[in-house]
Amino acid sequence: KQEVTQIPAALSVPEGENLVLNCSFTDSAIYNLQWFRQDPGKGLTSLLLIQSSQREQTSGRLNASLDKSSGRSTLYIAASQPGDSATYLCAAMDSNYQLIWGAGTKLIIKP
Amino acid sequence: GAGVSQSPRYKVAKRGQDVALRCDPISGHVSLFWYQQALGQGPEFLTYFQNEAQLDKSGLPSDRFFAERPEGSVSTLKIQRTQQEDSAVYLCASRENPYTGELFFGEGSRLTVL
Repeated sequence: KQEVTQIPAALSVPEGENLVLNCSFTDSAIYNLQWFRQDPGKGLTSLLLIQSSQREQTSGRLNASLDKSSGRSTLYIAASQPGDSATYLCAAMDSNYQLIWGAGTKLIIKP
Repeated sequence: GAGVSQSPRYKVAKRGQDVALRCDPISGHVSLFWYQQALGQGPEFLTYFQNEAQLDKSGLPSDRFFAERPEGSVSTLKIQRTQQEDSAVYLCASRENPYTGELFFGEGSRLTVL
């Protein structure tokens, strides 16, 4: 059974720093992996979708990588800003086309 | 529409009342999902529609939960005889393709059962 883990559960860094959020999964047979952002009291906003055949995707200051063999994905945020403060969730689509979710990393960027 | 729309955004119900939550997916999206999200947790799958067909309802926690999408567009999640443990945010998401691709979420409906 696929399990997705995000560590740490919470992270606080000063503004301007580059940072990496981690997402690990137990079964490498995934179709894709998607990163989302969730602000308090809001729905989820899609950030990046990486297909299983891809190694990384980039959007602005965000870069997501995927290493299926090691069961890991990382979300790199460059030059962090207070507006990046949110909870970041990853979800892996398993072989049954089901999305398996991590519990999220709550990120706080201190001005 | 431009995005996934959910209503109501907030709903307070007395225990035992029935509630109905609506989801308007992105126009033309084949796939529609309902999730339940507790505070500080990731979304938990409830049910999945492909057009009007409910292909998976394995995540519905009890027979008090019922979902429909009769014309393959708008969907309604109904909860009968609400209990306090039903208090959560209910998220709807849609996707253009049946099986893969990017998933787009609505703002969610926050249900509080007193």
